[in-house]
Amino acid sequence: DAKTTQPNSMESNEEEPVHLPCNHSTISGTDYIHWYRQLPSQGPEYVIHGLTSNVNNRMASLAIAEDRKSSTLILHRATLRDAAVYYCILRDNDNYGQNFVFGPGTRLSVLP
Amino acid sequence: DTGVSQDPRHKITKRGQNVTFRCDPISEHNRLYWYRQTLGQGPEFLTYFQNEAQLEKSRLLSDRFSAERPKGSFSTLEIQRTEQGDSAMYLCASSLTLSPGATSGYTFGSGTRLTVV
Repeated sequence: DAKTTQPNSMESNEEEPVHLPCNHSTISGTDYIHWYRQLPSQGPEYVIHGLTSNVNNRMASLAIAEDRKSSTLILHRATLRDAAVYYCILRDNDNYGQNFVFGPGTRLSVLP
Repeated sequence: DTGVSQDPRHKITKRGQNVTFRCDPISEHNRLYWYRQTLGQGPEFLTYFQNEAQLEKSRLLSDRFSAERPKGSFSTLEIQRTEQGDSAMYLCASSLTLSPGATSGYTFGSGTRLTVV
């Protein structure tokens, strides 16, 4: 599995934008970039995913570098409820048997 | 549908006892996954099913671990002769096959926290 590298932890102030980086220098052409987050005492939840183009949804935006070796999850206006561990995961959507492999993720703290 | 349900939420057991956890996936999802998560780590994949077929079980941690999905709906994960090192959160997730070779994202349950004393 191609690996990702994320900072262990980040801090943000409430109502400010947050940019969570992820490096994936060994990404293959068919790997999708997925982001999940895990709130305290919950299972992970889907945030966003993309292949090449930047993606937006109601939760976040995903900015993918042109060479696809890095990406950034953008929370446009952090709230206290966004405090969670954020996981950046690569998965080949063409690989029927492949499963999500989680790393330790980035623990985001949001300060009031 | 209320999402993926796991039961119980918490389980405390004595070392050497057997435990069984249940997972009810989203009803239309044909794939079901089990993960284990220890403190400070990301979830670790254990096994998965497509309908009732267990397609990957080599990642199960030892032969004390087994999983079933007898009718392709709910699943159970059993740990026999529990050890203190088995203390962890056990997560279940489900997904839907979208097309040959592709599956939707995962929906996770809230997990079962096991404490072995």
